[in-house]
This record gives sequence, C-alpha cells and structure tokens, in this order.
Amino acid sequence: QQQVKQSPQSLIVQKGGISIINCAYENTAFDYFPWYQQFPGKGPALLIAIRPDVSEKKEGRFTISFNKSAKQFSLHIMDSQPGDSATYFCAASKAGGTSYGKLTFGQGTILTVHP
Amino acid sequence: NAGVTQTPKFQVLKTGQSMTLQCAQDMNHEYMSWYRQDPGMGLRLIHYSVGAGITDQGEVPNGYNVSRSTTEDFPLRLLSAAPSQTSVYFCASSSPSGSLGDTQYFGPGTRLTVL
Repeated sequence: QQQVKQSPQSLIVQKGGISIINCAYENTAFDYFPWYQQFPGKGPALLIAIRPDVSEKKEGRFTISFNKSAKQFSLHIMDSQPGDSATYFCAASKAGGTSYGKLTFGQGTILTVHP
Repeated sequence: NAGVTQTPKFQVLKTGQSMTLQCAQDMNHEYMSWYRQDPGMGLRLIHYSVGAGITDQGEVPNGYNVSRSTTEDFPLRLLSAAPSQTSVYFCASSSPSGSLGDTQYFGPGTRLTVL
C-alpha cells in the first residue's frame, strides 16, 4: 500500500528548462510535505518542505506547489542545471512530535539535466 | 559534527547469516529511524525510535530487530539474512526543535547483498 505516489519515474530535461515532479497522497492526516534530494552513493538530504496552510513555497530555483483539495503536491525546478541531476523523493508525515521519525516516501524520480 | 554515521559501507552475506548494521549520531537527536531503499519503491521505514529504550515497528519490520540503549546509537540486526533483504539501508535522525516538521538527517547508507 503506497500512501504517497510519485511521478514520473525518470525525467530528462535540457539545461535551463523546467523540471516538474508530481506527488499524490492518500492519508488526509498528513500535514508536512518535504522533498529530499539524493546524489549517487549518498543519503537523501532535505531540499524544501511545506505545510498545507500555504499553497506555494519558493526557495531559490525550487518551488513546491500544494493542492490540498486534490491531495497533490509538486516540485518545480526552474532553470534546471546539470548539477541538479539526482534522485528526488517526495515524502509526507504528520507534523506532531509523536510522528517524528516516520516519513512516508514516494517512489522517487531520477532527474537528468543535459548540458 | 560528523552527523549520522553508518558502518559498514558494503556487506555481502550468505543466506541464513546474521549481522548488525551500525548507526550513530552526534547531534543529540531524540528520533532515529531505519529505512531500506529499493529501486522503484522509494524508502520504506523498517523501525524507528523516539528515545533511548523506546522503539517501534515501521512499514517493513519483518526479519529485523532494533534496540536503543543510548541516544547516540541505533543498531539494526538481521537475524537470518534472506535474499529479499538485499537493499541499501539508511539510518536517519531528527529532532523537532525549531523545525517546520520532521527534518531527518540521513547517513551515507550501507549496501547489503545477500547471496
């Protein structure tokens, strides 16, 4: 039972283009939605996160868009660079202290940015 | 700070062997978790801990044991290795203080192959 579904599995973008990765969740109790970035041979690292009280959050070239009614959220990478080539995971959890340590991850998207 | 450290980096086991994957963190985080990463499956939670002496099961706990005698260490034990346990294992730690939600810090991973 995959509570967070992520698409696409892989994505190829030209340098300077926009990369878009989508996630959908089922559990309406989720109220914290982070995105993690993972380079080959490394552990995932937090990239950007959002709570459902806002519809959009931007940090530099990275933006999360959140649609609570549709139970969907997406990551947009503007002006994509070859250095952005990595695997991206969306995740979800409840924000309360008792839910810490229990992230539910999507399946991952392998992003390749061609120079 | 070393952050989250994991040993070994690589391990090959034969079916039926047992072993312990080590995880340590020096950030004084209360919460620690073990995930396994498989292609197309994302990261799945095996076990987690909310503090020394307190552990609980995640999504895929069968075949694994954990204990947490100190804040710093959270070892994962494979009791009788099976080929289905071939995976990359990540340890993570987090603390709720001052963050938007569960910002988990991941170790570099252990790549385990069971023959």
